[in-house]
Amino acid sequence: KNEVEQSPQNLTAQEGEFITINCSYSVGISALHWLQQHPGGGIVSLFMLSSGKKKHGRLIATINIQEKHSSLHITASHPRDSAVYICASVGENKIIFGKGTRLHILP
Amino acid sequence: KAGVTQTPRYLIKTRGQQVTLSCSPISGHRSVSWYQQTPGQGLQFLFEYFSETQRNKGNFPGRFSGRQFSNSRSEMNVSTLELGDSALYLCASSWGQLNTEAFFGQGTRLTVV
Repeated sequence: KNEVEQSPQNLTAQEGEFITINCSYSVGISALHWLQQHPGGGIVSLFMLSSGKKKHGRLIATINIQEKHSSLHITASHPRDSAVYICASVGENKIIFGKGTRLHILP
Repeated sequence: KAGVTQTPRYLIKTRGQQVTLSCSPISGHRSVSWYQQTPGQGLQFLFEYFSETQRNKGNFPGRFSGRQFSNSRSEMNVSTLELGDSALYLCASSWGQLNTEAFFGQGTRLTVV
């Protein structure tokens, strides 16, 4: 059974800091999603990765297939980045979500 | 182009009733997947439909069912509602499998009293 673990569960940082959120999974997968959820529930897909690294603006996502680990980085963090970040692994025709990391960026 | 639309946004139902939620995907997307989000369990995968066929299914009881129409719009039905079914129900659409980029709707918040 695939388990998806995220760390940290909660993170408070000052504006401008470099942020790293980690995601580990226990079995082989075909892809990993990083999602952002703001208060009110709306979810935005940030990245879908199957290997390597992707960058979009101030966000960078990496995945190491051998180590079954992915990271989401935010450079020059801003209060508008405050949200819950969720990783989700896709494998065996199922998608399994981590519990999420609640990020709060202080101005 | 228009995003994923879920209706209704909010719903209050009584235990034992049944409920139907609707999801209209992005034009051209043939895959619609459904998810349940609760404070205790987080996000969980319910099922995925592609071209009117259920392609993948999560571990939920048979009270949870769905269907997809020829225009790719999808409905999710929950029968014999229980208090524990209170949750945010999200749908997402994509052009392909679960390992392709997904676009989420705003969700339907269901409260069972």
